[in-house]
Amino acid sequence: DAGVIQSPRHEVTEMGQEVTLRCKPISGHDYLFWYRQTMMRGLELLIYFNNNVPIDDSGMPEDRFSAKMPNASFSTLKIQPSEPRDSAVYFCASSSVLLYGYTFGSGTRLTVV
Amino acid sequence: AQKVTQAQTEISVVEKEDVTLDCVYETRDTTYYLFWYKQPPSGELVFLIRRNSFDEQNEISGRYSWNFQKSTSSFNFTITASQVVDSAVYFCALSEPTGGGADGLTFGKGTHLIIQP
Repeated sequence: DAGVIQSPRHEVTEMGQEVTLRCKPISGHDYLFWYRQTMMRGLELLIYFNNNVPIDDSGMPEDRFSAKMPNASFSTLKIQPSEPRDSAVYFCASSSVLLYGYTFGSGTRLTVV
Repeated sequence: AQKVTQAQTEISVVEKEDVTLDCVYETRDTTYYLFWYKQPPSGELVFLIRRNSFDEQNEISGRYSWNFQKSTSSFNFTITASQVVDSAVYFCALSEPTGGGADGLTFGKGTHLIIQP
């Protein structure tokens, strides 16, 4: 298995632009998580899905952030409009309740200028 | 609410020394999972170990060992005979499964381990 695949690896965008981060979970995993890592706040959970359904989005910082999981093999995290304070590394992770481990993707480093 | 505390922000040791990374957690649940992840300079998060709350046996994997003590709510990680390749940020994390399903991880702030040659 190729693991959790995130794209792009790096993204530089201008303030006000829309940004879309993508994630392909491990096949067969029924949970998908989005995390954000910053120096100030560390690693924090933004939202997670179970069987493509959002379960807890209480970590999403504001309405500018949205996440979707249209099918079991794809999820997106969108920021519109982006702001410099959104600059961070965004990780996607997937898990199976049967295995109960979390596998992380390589992350997307977002820079908003 | 759950919380994970890694009081050591940064540790620097000379190669071949033993080093212990501390992790203290808070939870009201009786069923929970504890994890350690390694984040090398390249940035990915590498899974090291998972331990459930009903298994207090210590675990050893090569130069790595983990000491889980429910009485002190601690899950400490020891590297024996450290090597330069062990230099990384190490995160302790907690998960409280709900209704038999998975839940998100609550991470500590991480400990930056520097192994000097």
